Amino acid sequence: KAGVTQTPRYLIKTRGQQVTLSCSPISGHRSVSWYQQTPGQGLQFLFEYFSETQRNKGNFPGRFSGRQFSNSRSEMNVSTLELGDSALYLCASSTSGTSFDEQYFGPGTRLTVT
Amino acid sequence: KNQVEQSPQSLIILEGKNCTLQCNYTVSPFSNLRWYKQDTGRGPVSLTIMTFSENTKSNGRYTATLDADTKQSSLHITASQLSDSASYICVVSAASSGDKLTFGTGTRLAVRP
Repeated sequence: KAGVTQTPRYLIKTRGQQVTLSCSPISGHRSVSWYQQTPGQGLQFLFEYFSETQRNKGNFPGRFSGRQFSNSRSEMNVSTLELGDSALYLCASSTSGTSFDEQYFGPGTRLTVT
Repeated sequence: KNQVEQSPQSLIILEGKNCTLQCNYTVSPFSNLRWYKQDTGRGPVSLTIMTFSENTKSNGRYTATLDADTKQSSLHITASQLSDSASYICVVSAASSGDKLTFGTGTRLAVRP
């Protein structure tokens, strides 16, 4: 079974630009969660999608948005990039999205904002 | 406010030695606690999950303990190997609507030959 894939793996953008990251979950998984990971803050929850609906949201500004498609693939968009958005963005998929479900993480997208 | 604190922040041990990582949490009401291992450049991988009624759970050379009364967990690594070099992250779930997860900032372990 193929794992969670994320594209692109690396990205360099300048302040003010926008970016879209993609995540393909494990086949059969309907829940996709997104996380931001920085050295100082660790992993922080952005949002979770289940069956094309945003089910949970973390404490991030509205510049961070996402969506999920009918095939469970998910995209995350960040508009008006700031230097502080430089981070590793991880997505994770699970069957139903409860905390008892094991989440399988992708390798992440390393975003650098200059 | 729900919080998860891990100690130490970083640790260096010699190959073959044992070590113990700590996790203290204030998440309430408690649902479950998971330990993840994250290799450099990769996403985290779950090692163990523990619920309120479980005190100990093992996964090979990894043994997690949970004391729900003191809200503490530990991850013990036995006979460390070079491949154990990674960050270890403690994640606690709150038993509330939304099943919110609170992440610790991790312990970075380096195993030296």
